[in-house]
Amino acid sequence: KAGVTQTPRYLIKTRGQQVTLSCSPISGHRSVSWYQQTPGQGLQFLFEYFSETQRNKGNFPGRFSGRQFSNSRSEMNVSTLELGDSALYLCASSLGDRNEQFFGPGTRLTVL
Amino acid sequence: AQKVTQAQTEISVVEKEDVTLDCVYETRDTTYYLFWYKQPPSGELVFLIRRNSFDEQNEISGRYSWNFQKSTSSFNFTITASQVVDSAVYFCALSEVGTGTASKLTFGTGTRLQVTL
Repeated sequence: KAGVTQTPRYLIKTRGQQVTLSCSPISGHRSVSWYQQTPGQGLQFLFEYFSETQRNKGNFPGRFSGRQFSNSRSEMNVSTLELGDSALYLCASSLGDRNEQFFGPGTRLTVL
Repeated sequence: AQKVTQAQTEISVVEKEDVTLDCVYETRDTTYYLFWYKQPPSGELVFLIRRNSFDEQNEISGRYSWNFQKSTSSFNFTITASQVVDSAVYFCALSEVGTGTASKLTFGTGTRLQVTL
């Protein structure tokens, strides 16, 4: 069974731009969660989607948004990029909220 | 609020040594899950184990073992006879079920393990 895939793997943007990251979960998994990893703040939860609905949200500004499609694939969007948004963005999928989460390889975003 | 503390920032051992990674957690919830993940240099988080708060049995999987003690709010991870391939950053994480946020993992800051020959 294929694992979680994320595209693109690397991205370079400039301040003020917006970016969309994509995540395809493991087949059969309906829950998709997003995390941001930075050297300063560590791993932080962004949000979780289940059956196309945002079920939980972390403490991030409204510039960070996401959505989930009927096939469980998910996208996250960051608008008006700031230098501090440079990070590794990890997507995880699970069968449900009480199951273990399996992570993708991440998208490394650099904001110049 | 929930919190996970991994006090050991970096550990260096020589191959074949045993090593224990410490994890202390804080939560007001009575129902929660604890996890360990491994992050090799490639960056992907690899799932190692999940325990629920009602199961304090220690677990062994090959060279890996986990000691869960609710009395001390600890969930420690031991690697026996370490190998170079064990070199990675290891994260302990917590999720609370009672608050309806079981999908939200709260991670510790990680412990970087370096195993040398």
